Amino acid sequence: DAGVIQSPRHEVTEMGQEVTLRCKPISGHNSLFWYRQTMMRGLELLIYFNNNVPIDDSGMPEDRFSAKMPNASFSTLKIQPSEPRDSAVYFCASSLGSGTGNTIYFGEGSWLTVV
Amino acid sequence: KQEVTQIPAALSVPEGENLVLNCSFTDSAIYNLQWFRQDPGKGLTSLLLIQSSQREQTSGRLNASLDKSSGRSTLYIAASQPGDSATYLCASRWGKFQFGAGTQVVVTP
Repeated sequence: DAGVIQSPRHEVTEMGQEVTLRCKPISGHNSLFWYRQTMMRGLELLIYFNNNVPIDDSGMPEDRFSAKMPNASFSTLKIQPSEPRDSAVYFCASSLGSGTGNTIYFGEGSWLTVV
Repeated sequence: KQEVTQIPAALSVPEGENLVLNCSFTDSAIYNLQWFRQDPGKGLTSLLLIQSSQREQTSGRLNASLDKSSGRSTLYIAASQPGDSATYLCASRWGKFQFGAGTQVVVTP
């Protein structure tokens, strides 16, 4: 299996621009997670989906952030408009359901810099 | 809300010593507890997963224990090597995964 695939791997954008991060989960996994990692705050859960439905978006910082999962093999995280404080590594992860034996698998991350 | 804490935040040991990394969580109603490794500039790699009904898991030089009643998990790495240098994170799952801040480990030759 190819693992969780994220794109772009690196993005540098100007403040105010729209940023779209993409994720393809592992085939067959029905739980998908978006995390943000910074030195100051560590790894924060932004939102997670189960069977393409958002279950918990309490970690989404504000209305500038939105996430969608139109089908089982694709998800996006959008920031509009972007701000310098959004600079971070954004990880997508997937898991096979919520069973006790189900491991979560991470992508390599999207490194976002907003200048 | 589940809180996951890892102590110490950083650890440096000479090669060959055993590593002991601690993870504590506040809510014992977890599905599982998972340990990860993160190298600089990389994503997270799963090391071990302990289901809520289990007490420990082993893989090679790694052993992880789980004590739900006390809200603790410990990761042991035997005979550490410089290649073990990384940040180690634990995460508890009760629906979603809650991560600790990690322990940064340096193994010196």
